Amino acid sequence: NAGVTQTPKFQVLKTGQSMTLQCAQDMNHEYMSWYRQDPGMGLRLIHYSVGAGITDQGEVPNGYNVSRSTTEDFPLRLLSAAPSQTSVYFCASSDRARGMAEQFFGPGTRLTVL
Amino acid sequence: AQKITQTQPGMFVQEKEAVTLDCTYDTSDPSYGLFWYKQPSSGEMIFLIYQGSYDQQNATEGRYSLNFQKARKSANLVISASQLGDSAMYFCAMREGNGQNFVFGPGTRLSVLP
Repeated sequence: NAGVTQTPKFQVLKTGQSMTLQCAQDMNHEYMSWYRQDPGMGLRLIHYSVGAGITDQGEVPNGYNVSRSTTEDFPLRLLSAAPSQTSVYFCASSDRARGMAEQFFGPGTRLTVL
Repeated sequence: AQKITQTQPGMFVQEKEAVTLDCTYDTSDPSYGLFWYKQPSSGEMIFLIYQGSYDQQNATEGRYSLNFQKARKSANLVISASQLGDSAMYFCAMREGNGQNFVFGPGTRLSVLP
């Protein structure tokens, strides 16, 4: 199993550009989520999904869109990048059927917006 | 209001000694789970240990143990016999009830001294 994979690992954008961060998992997990990590603030939830076709907002959803057309994939779209979106982005998944299961994290994407 | 508090931004410990990283949480849900993750300088998030709110005994995983004091709402991580490879950021996280979302604390940076 590859676990949770994310692409790209690094990305530099100019203000106003759009892009999609890719996330995929091969563990058949229903729950997937996106976090951003900023210095001194831990991880903050952007969007999450409890299954294909179902998404919802987390703590900091503004400026981001998600969709979940398959169990495996959960892409995060930045609509019009801003310097405030410079951060490290983590995708995670967990097995809903196991109740209080831990989340498995991808390796992260380091995004810089100029 | 902060649901997870980690009051120690940074900690130092001598190699081979034990260290306790503090975590307090806030929830009114009787069912919840507490998790600790390690983030080394390479950036990945590594799951360490889990404690359920109904668990009678403190969780242990190798050199990691969780000092769970339910009445005080604390879930401190104890690392015994510290190793140089334990130098990393450590995050405490909580998942409430039937919810799928995790809330993370701001983290504690642990440095192990030779």
